Amino acid sequence: EAGVTQSPTHLIKTRGQQATLRCSPISGHTSVYWYQQALGLGLQFLLWYDEGEERNRGNFPPRFSGRQFPNYSSELNVNALELEDSALYLCASSFGTRGYNEQFFGPGTRLTVL
Amino acid sequence: LAKTTQPISMDSYEGQEVNITCSHNNIATNDYITWYQQFPSQGPRFIIQGYKTKVTNEVASLFIPADRKSSTLSLPRVSLSDTAVYYCLASNTGKLIFGQGTTLQVKP
Repeated sequence: EAGVTQSPTHLIKTRGQQATLRCSPISGHTSVYWYQQALGLGLQFLLWYDEGEERNRGNFPPRFSGRQFPNYSSELNVNALELEDSALYLCASSFGTRGYNEQFFGPGTRLTVL
Repeated sequence: LAKTTQPISMDSYEGQEVNITCSHNNIATNDYITWYQQFPSQGPRFIIQGYKTKVTNEVASLFIPADRKSSTLSLPRVSLSDTAVYYCLASNTGKLIFGQGTTLQVKP
């Protein structure tokens, strides 16, 4: 069974540009989560989508947004990129929406903002 | 969401049992305790989850006392490949809050 996939693996942008990151969950999973892991800051919760709806978001500005498509894949958009947005962006998926449902993480997209 | 506290780092040797304790004083009644493992430049990987007493799977055991204010992850006979960051979380929703985690260094 295929795991969570993310694309691209690496992304290099310049300040002010927009970045789009993509995630495909495990087949059958309806929830998708996005996390940011910046150097020295640990894993930060970004967004949670389930059944096409945004369920929760972390303490990030509105220029971080996303959506979930009918096939449950998801996109994370980061507008007006800033240097501190450079990080590993991880996507996870789960079968349900409760905390006791294991989240399966993808390999991540490394975003570098120059 | 319950805040968790765990040691920042631990050292061990191959073949030893490692116990990592996590404190979660304000855990809610419907929170589950979950541990994840993360290797550098990879996403976290689920290790084990429990609600109370003891849970064991093929890789670890999780001990949760009756008051549920702490939990202990036990890794039997660690190897060099167990060197990683271990995160303890207490949650009842999909929104997971990862703390600093415990960096476990296994030495030969």
